[in-house]
Amino acid sequence: DVKVTQSSRYLVKRTGEKVFLECVQDMDHENMFWYRQDPGLGLRLIYFSYDVKMKEKGDIPEGYSVSREKKERFSLILESASTNQTSMYLCASSLGGWFEKLFFGSGTQLSVL
Amino acid sequence: AQTVTQSQPEMSVQEAETVTLSCTYDTSESDYYLFWYKQPPSRQMILVIRQEAYKQQNATENRFSVNFQKAAKSFSLKISDSQLGDAAMYFCAYRTSNFGNEKLTFGTGTRLTIIP
Repeated sequence: DVKVTQSSRYLVKRTGEKVFLECVQDMDHENMFWYRQDPGLGLRLIYFSYDVKMKEKGDIPEGYSVSREKKERFSLILESASTNQTSMYLCASSLGGWFEKLFFGSGTQLSVL
Repeated sequence: AQTVTQSQPEMSVQEAETVTLSCTYDTSESDYYLFWYKQPPSRQMILVIRQEAYKQQNATENRFSVNFQKAAKSFSLKISDSQLGDAAMYFCAYRTSNFGNEKLTFGTGTRLTIIP
């Protein structure tokens, strides 16, 4: 089975801190995604990547950046965390192709105080 | 841009009964893909079922089936013989068929409660 691992299940940070959320997949998937999940808003795409060192903005990239130096790892970076970035962050990967499903990690609940 | 709407924030159903979750979407494309994902309390999203828009036949996976109405842009999920393990958030999602654009657009979710 494909495994997508997010480094932290819960994280508490202070306003202004630089925050790194790590995601690793073990199935050599081409595509990786970072979503943010908020009640009443569903999942919204922050960034995605089709290949190493490639990244594309999603629907809400402001305040975030990403890094993909290796195929299996996709990092989400909050340059200066703010309280409105308190949320559940979900990482996903997919093999690629029209009908391929996404495999998700278990999420990181980030609280910014 | 495509949008996905789930108008039922919460639903409940008696165990062993049937429940239908609604989803509508807005698109100008003729070819696309639709998905239902389940998020149990463990938080890990799991694919439940998927549908290709060019296929008229509704997808079925065991107790899960969809009612895909392309003209109405509707994609509802029917769960038959509901079980306690079906309790979860359910998200409808859309993906364009455009080459190289493989991101999913999700709805806001429906929380399903199973009543024993």
